[in-house]
Amino acid sequence: SQQGEEDPQALSIQEGENATMNCSYKTSINNLQWYRQNSGRGLVHLILIRSNEREKHSGRLRVTLDTSKKSSSLLITASRAADTASYFCATVPTGTYKYIFGTGTRLKVLA
Amino acid sequence: EAGVTQFPSHSVIEKGQTVTLRCDPISGHDNLYWYRRVMGKEIKFLLHFVKESKQDESGMPNNRFLAERTGGTYSTLKVQPAELEDSGVYFCASSQVDYGYTFGSGTRLTVV
Repeated sequence: SQQGEEDPQALSIQEGENATMNCSYKTSINNLQWYRQNSGRGLVHLILIRSNEREKHSGRLRVTLDTSKKSSSLLITASRAADTASYFCATVPTGTYKYIFGTGTRLKVLA
Repeated sequence: EAGVTQFPSHSVIEKGQTVTLRCDPISGHDNLYWYRRVMGKEIKFLLHFVKESKQDESGMPNNRFLAERTGGTYSTLKVQPAELEDSGVYFCASSQVDYGYTFGSGTRLTVV
């Protein structure tokens, strides 16, 4: 089964609103990362949160990690049309090296 | 330092043809990984090189895919013959340690 699962699968909001995406995973991890993929293009690394961290901020991004619930959330504040993309969480299960990506959330920000 | 470079950035080929994707990792990175995202689905692991050796190729979908890493430097991923379901974005990443990837910008493959 999928290690990382995001929800919602798709999200459509108005420019200026906040967008929240959630990610759940199944095993213990070293860290969790969030990536963005613009339509058919490369992966852009957004933020990394380590397993001993609970919250991290970077610009308009806020990531939380709850290892007891094996879940993470990504909040994008004051969204812009340019934020339209697919967002993925990626985990590295403890003792491994493979990134396990979630199914992704397709975010559409309407101008 | 230069990042992970992939080319071509986009390739359109006909079903049955052969395509070779190339990845140049960050200099000095022993670990090189291939991932792909097909048909808008999740991003999946294909294989992992440590230097020139295939450490893990459990994600390779079938024998139409062949990956090589010449002298532990750049890597190629050949698809022969290409099928429609191979369309997607192929990502390469490299790392010095077992985590902390740097991804390339991907190659978008379209098979028509």
